[in-house]
Amino acid sequence: NAGVTQTPKFQVLKTGQSMTLQCAQDMNHNSMYWYRQDPGMGLRLIYYSASEGTTDKGEVPNGYNVSRLNKREFSLRLESAAPSQTSVYFCASSEAGEGQLFFGEGSRLTVL
Amino acid sequence: QKEVEQDPGPLSVPEGAIVSLNCTYSNSAFQYFMWYRQYSRKGPELLMYTYSSGNKEDGRFTAQVDKSSKYISLFIRDSQPSDSATYLCAMSANQAGTALIFGKGTTLSVSS
Repeated sequence: NAGVTQTPKFQVLKTGQSMTLQCAQDMNHNSMYWYRQDPGMGLRLIYYSASEGTTDKGEVPNGYNVSRLNKREFSLRLESAAPSQTSVYFCASSEAGEGQLFFGEGSRLTVL
Repeated sequence: QKEVEQDPGPLSVPEGAIVSLNCTYSNSAFQYFMWYRQYSRKGPELLMYTYSSGNKEDGRFTAQVDKSSKYISLFIRDSQPSDSATYLCAMSANQAGTALIFGKGTTLSVSS
């Protein structure tokens, strides 16, 4: 039972490079989320998708874009990476209107 | 004042000890309270979910909510080395996942 799958697990970028983090869930959940986790800052919501075809900004959306490709997949794109985007990124999903989130294992991104 | 406060620890206890983890909050509208457990280099996983005030027990874990004091606790009885992890409290005023506010987490180490 895969749950929420994120790729890649690790990535090193140079400042200015772009990349996309991929996320897929197999629980038939309507809602999907992207968080970043930084030491001393906790989990912060970047973007979310309440349902297929919709996306909205969270607490820290600057420098990121998202695409809800279909019900299963939600990707996060960094167009021009900055060192401040060095973080661990988590994708999560939930039933619509539910606060019980299911998280992936995380993607560790370092921007040099 | 931050919406959710959680002592980051670290908290070190011997195997078999009773552990108490706590969060305080300022928003009296919060009604849904969760505890997530996060092992090192893994994603958070939901441990306990409670609505409004009162206690909820699941095996060795008990979640307690005191809305009058704006204080929630997670008790772990007969702690095991496998309980060593970071524990995140989370809460929201409604059931929407987008409204979830996370604490920064308390790191627990249980020694054998």
